[in-house]
Amino acid sequence: GEDVEQSLFLSVREGDSSVINCTYTDSSSTYLYWYKQEPGAGLQLLTYIFSNMDMKQDQRLTVLLNKKDKHLSLRIADTQTGDSAIYFCAELGGSQGNLIFGKGTKLSVKP
Amino acid sequence: DAMVIQNPRYQVTQFGKPVTLSCSQTLNHNVMYWYQQKSSQAPKLLFHYYDKDFNNEADTPDNFQSRRPNTSFCFLDIRSPGLGDAAMYLCATSTNWGGSETQYFGPGTRLLVL
Repeated sequence: GEDVEQSLFLSVREGDSSVINCTYTDSSSTYLYWYKQEPGAGLQLLTYIFSNMDMKQDQRLTVLLNKKDKHLSLRIADTQTGDSAIYFCAELGGSQGNLIFGKGTKLSVKP
Repeated sequence: DAMVIQNPRYQVTQFGKPVTLSCSQTLNHNVMYWYQQKSSQAPKLLFHYYDKDFNNEADTPDNFQSRRPNTSFCFLDIRSPGLGDAAMYLCATSTNWGGSETQYFGPGTRLLVL
């Protein structure tokens, strides 16, 4: 079946880099996404990567995809207190065409 | 400008009392989705509409229904809310189903069942 796994918590100091990791099981996934959810708010699309890419960079965000290991990571450079949120990894389910989310990683940024 | 709007942002209902949550979009997208997100859990897809075609996920309880009277609006009806239905309900839209279609989410409605 389809499953997306993430570690639940990550704590970093302001100015450091954050790396949030995700593993998925559906090898036929075409797109993988990172969403951000601030307290009490909906999901905000941060970035996505197509499965034939290894890396995508967008300002402070770098997404790395290891398709062989089905491993996705999101690196946030120069992490700020405003980056504190829950980050969800999601795959576009190859068989169903719907988004499969992980449980989210809560990022805490300490001053 | 808000693109996916959900009303109300917070809803309190009583056990067993029907409740309706509302979603509207200004994107003219074909597909609208309803997700349920319980505390510390991943969002779970309840159903989606492709235009007027309704698609129910296999494990969505019968207690949950949806209506899409036009392209812009979609409603989630919970016929007899139980305590276990307390959650954040997220509406999302996309141009089409699957493929490279990005889903755009609304801010969510947090439902409390007393």
